[in-house]
Amino acid sequence: DARVTQTPRHKVTEMGQEVTMRCQPILGHNTVFWYRQTMMQGLELLAYFRNRAPLDDSGMPKDRFSAEMPDATLATLKIQPSEPRDSAVYFCASGPNDGLGNTIYFGEGSWLTVV
Amino acid sequence: AQKVTQAQTEISVVEKEDVTLDCVYETRDTTYYLFWYKQPPSGELVFLIRRNSFDEQNEISGRYSWNFQKSTSSFNFTITASQVVDSAVYFCALKANFGNEKLTFGTGTRLTIIP
Repeated sequence: DARVTQTPRHKVTEMGQEVTMRCQPILGHNTVFWYRQTMMQGLELLAYFRNRAPLDDSGMPKDRFSAEMPDATLATLKIQPSEPRDSAVYFCASGPNDGLGNTIYFGEGSWLTVV
Repeated sequence: AQKVTQAQTEISVVEKEDVTLDCVYETRDTTYYLFWYKQPPSGELVFLIRRNSFDEQNEISGRYSWNFQKSTSSFNFTITASQVVDSAVYFCALKANFGNEKLTFGTGTRLTIIP
């Protein structure tokens, strides 16, 4: 059963620490997304990649956030330094980009708490 | 600009009742795709259905059915004979513009099924 895999599932860290979240997209999917979910903002797109190239990271605070795809099986989202306002659920998602309005499948999320 | 409105913030129904979740969307694109996702208490986002703008046929899957009406820009979701396991937050989402993979989400409707 193919699924998007995210680690860590839960993370509590102190303000100022670096946080790295990892995602393994579904094999064969070439479009990868990072979404953030908060009570105030709901689900918002941070960045997305197609064929490992970043296409849109306009939703991401550039000064502290960075997203990369070192290879087709790994996407990373890094926050440095972390702040309490970064506390949220971070979802990775992937899709096949089949030109048919491809369905995007989400991982289980990384629950981040910055204290 | 794209927008998805889920006016119902919270709905509670007694088990076995039918319930309809409303979704209204806005887009200037002629080609677009609509989605529903379910977020159960465990937190993951589960894909339920995808619909493209060319296909206005209603769809039924077990106890779930979807009514897509372009004339009113609505894509409503009905659960028949609701069950406690249906308790979740349900998100409607829109993707428009072939090549632009971004999903725009509504704010979600929290559905509680009372046993």
